[in-house]
Amino acid sequence: GAGVSQTPSNKVTEKGKYVELRCDPISGHTALYWYRQSLGQGPEFLIYFQGTGAADDSGLPNDRFFAVRPEGSVSTLKIQRTERGDSAVYLCASSIDSGGTDTQYFGPGTRLTVL
Amino acid sequence: SQQGEEDPQALSIQEGENATMNCSYKTSINNLQWYRQNSGRGLVHLILIRSNEREKHSGRLRVTLDTSKKSSSLLITASRAADTASYFCATGETSGSRLTFGEGTQLTVNP
Repeated sequence: GAGVSQTPSNKVTEKGKYVELRCDPISGHTALYWYRQSLGQGPEFLIYFQGTGAADDSGLPNDRFFAVRPEGSVSTLKIQRTERGDSAVYLCASSIDSGGTDTQYFGPGTRLTVL
Repeated sequence: SQQGEEDPQALSIQEGENATMNCSYKTSINNLQWYRQNSGRGLVHLILIRSNEREKHSGRLRVTLDTSKKSSSLLITASRAADTASYFCATGETSGSRLTFGEGTQLTVNP
């Protein structure tokens, strides 16, 4: 079956603009995660959904970042008033269940560049 | 914040040789996972080892876990040029479902 997909693959925007990044998880996976990866670093956790609700959003860096998953499938990460420091690869992952025991399958990522 | 530290940061070997990468972490964990990443994009899951396991094998991969030392190692045997990538360890904490990644080891396998 299809893996995790993310769109767009690349996004270039100007400082101060609003962006939306989309994630389609593997069908049937109830858990969905967002991570951010800066150049030369490992991914850093942003937010985790179990179904439609955000079970852990403690990784969101500030209130400019917001994510939704209204129907428990597709998720959108929204960034307001983008800053140059937001430039990174945004990775989405999904897993069958929660509890810290299951494999997370990652999408190809969205490379965000803020000019 | 990063929990794990991978060692070495970079490793260059010849095709056919074995590659060993190490990972250390700080807190108690439920599981530890190894991922491979090519060209800074999506991560490919390699293997998951649970905190009550000590060793796991998958094809040419061997992973060990020592919870008393809070460390893990990934061994790739008979390496191939196609194994060239960045390798990350990631820990799943007992209290939640997030993964906490190390900074990775860049492996180069020369043909």
